Amino acid sequence: DTAVSQTPKYLVTQMGNDKSIKCEQNLGHDTMYWYKQDSKKFLKIMFSYNNKELIINETVPNRFSPKSPDKAHLNLHINSLELGDSAVYFCASSPDGLNTEAFFGQGTRLTVV
Amino acid sequence: GDSVTQMEGPVTLSEEAFLTINCTYTATGYPSLFWYVQYPGEGLQLLLKATKADDKGSNKGFEATYRKETTSFHLEKGSVQVSDSAVYFCALSDLGGSQGNLIFGKGTKLSVKP
Repeated sequence: DTAVSQTPKYLVTQMGNDKSIKCEQNLGHDTMYWYKQDSKKFLKIMFSYNNKELIINETVPNRFSPKSPDKAHLNLHINSLELGDSAVYFCASSPDGLNTEAFFGQGTRLTVV
Repeated sequence: GDSVTQMEGPVTLSEEAFLTINCTYTATGYPSLFWYVQYPGEGLQLLLKATKADDKGSNKGFEATYRKETTSFHLEKGSVQVSDSAVYFCALSDLGGSQGNLIFGKGTKLSVKP
């Protein structure tokens, strides 16, 4: 029974397209995140949601829009995809976002061609 | 702002060798410290953590001690196995500087040869 699951695992798409990545957690956590991992494995936070409210937006282009229909789901929608958006995107959750560890999904490898 | 610096890899060791991966941090407040591991093609898994000075986190033979005086959280294992080959990330969470979010180091790739 997967704690944090995201779909799809792989996504290949053309420049200019719009795509979404879905994430669900069954841990009952209040806080969810999106992280981006670049080709050099560097991880950087994109968004943080606490109980459906956006807490952080780390200077991410507004082509990226997180949507949280409820506290168990945090989806990432990307408009007008660019080559530089190619990366692995990780969803994560934590109990309360207060200095506690986060639990990560398996990642979505996005390739823009 | 808060940051984490860890030794650059890749690190290549023979099986049963001793492992140290250095990690130092800069934080505004009093952070919690973590080591995560990423096996090939997988997501990140928490390996161990420490929440206050002098705490030692340990798991699967790995250990790290929270050293406030040297702002360090070095990862060690006495005898590595081939199955330990992965990328290791040091991270911190700091209510003051990172608003509780995880700030990661750049990762250190470990390869263990039989």
